[in-house]
Amino acid sequence: DAKTTQPPSMDCAEGRAANLPCNHSTISGNEYVYWYRQIHSQGPQYIIHGLKNNETNEMASLIITEDRKSSTLILPHATLRDTAVYYCIVRVGKTSYDKVIFGPGTSLSVIP
Amino acid sequence: DARVTQTPRHKVTEMGQEVTMRCQPILGHNTVFWYRQTMMQGLELLAYFRNRAPLDDSGMPKDRFSAEMPDATLATLKIQPSEPRDSAVYFCASGFQPLRGSPLHFGNGTRLTVT
Repeated sequence: DAKTTQPPSMDCAEGRAANLPCNHSTISGNEYVYWYRQIHSQGPQYIIHGLKNNETNEMASLIITEDRKSSTLILPHATLRDTAVYYCIVRVGKTSYDKVIFGPGTSLSVIP
Repeated sequence: DARVTQTPRHKVTEMGQEVTMRCQPILGHNTVFWYRQTMMQGLELLAYFRNRAPLDDSGMPKDRFSAEMPDATLATLKIQPSEPRDSAVYFCASGFQPLRGSPLHFGNGTRLTVT
């Protein structure tokens, strides 16, 4: 299974862009990169996912390097409500078997 | 918005008692995951069902834990007998596989305290 590496914690000033990195150097060609976040005491929430191309939705942007070995989640204008643990996950990708394993994630603190 | 519903939200019980946690996946989803979260271990995958069949329960202590899907609208996780070390938040998530790109949707968890 492809594994991911994320920094344990990051700070970001309110109103600034938060750039959260993720390394997934063993990713396979058909595996997607997913991002979830977990606000204290709630269940994880899906943010965005991508395969090769950069993606953007109303919550965030996902930048995937050309070799697909790393990605960056961008929150363009971080607010205090974006303080959460952010998880980068690579889906196993087999059509018949697709466990979803969470690592420790990055704890993002948005500072006023 | 469709949601995954978990009951109860909180459960306090004494050691040795049976605990049953329930999950209603989103209608139409065919995959259910059970996770346990503690401060020390983070989010641990306990069991994984697709089309009501268990595909993987290797993360679950077999002697006391059991997971089932009696029907497509209900997943259960039972602990018998419960122990203080089972105290954690238990999350259920549902999704649709093998549709590539389909994300998981999580419930808000059951916070279990075993005294």
